[in-house]
Amino acid sequence: GESVGLHLPTLSVQEGDNSIINCAYSNSASDYFIWYKQESGKGPQFIIDIRSNMDKRQGQRVTVLLNKTVKHLSLQIAATQPGDSAVYFCADRTSGTYKYIFGTGTRLKVLA
Amino acid sequence: DVKVTQSSRYLVKRTGEKVFLECVQDMDHENMFWYRQDPGLGLRLIYFSYDVKMKEKGDIPEGYSVSREKKERFSLILESASTNQTSMYLCASTPGGNTEAFFGQGTRLTVV
Repeated sequence: GESVGLHLPTLSVQEGDNSIINCAYSNSASDYFIWYKQESGKGPQFIIDIRSNMDKRQGQRVTVLLNKTVKHLSLQIAATQPGDSAVYFCADRTSGTYKYIFGTGTRLKVLA
Repeated sequence: DVKVTQSSRYLVKRTGEKVFLECVQDMDHENMFWYRQDPGLGLRLIYFSYDVKMKEKGDIPEGYSVSREKKERFSLILESASTNQTSMYLCASTPGGNTEAFFGQGTRLTVV
């Protein structure tokens, strides 16, 4: 499949290490946040979400941290595996609106 | 599992052709969206629909129209395709409320 992000920032990590991917959002009214994973040639897949009344949420090997003060979101992936190689991007939304605002993404490369 | 299906993975069309991109979801979702994804620009909203026969313009509606005659189907129409519409097109649906958007696998459109 063709690359979806030729000009993306890239994070390279060794297999087994932890990865941290960051995202800044601009709308202070946003109250719902999502992380997506997109593999080459495929549509985005949901990873984890968090609501603004929380500052941390954990899933299987993934943790999302929300800092509303500085409008920053991060995704932590524990024990990164080759299958984690993909583009990751965040999205935010404000209640009562239909619109999701998507970040441009970060490419994660897992080195063997 | 929610399934969002786009009718084509790859399309090649000539400048000036009328192009139809079809999207079907099987989970009775109220809201459906069409995005285009270009390197370095992230996902940009073209149109969305919150009910049958209802539509609203997104951020980049010029050169596109949409149709939602049935709840499960949302079509994107390029009235007269141009080379600057070469892109990856992604359809998504949501049930409303604070939930993630579910994406199709994408259609890579090339206009020559």
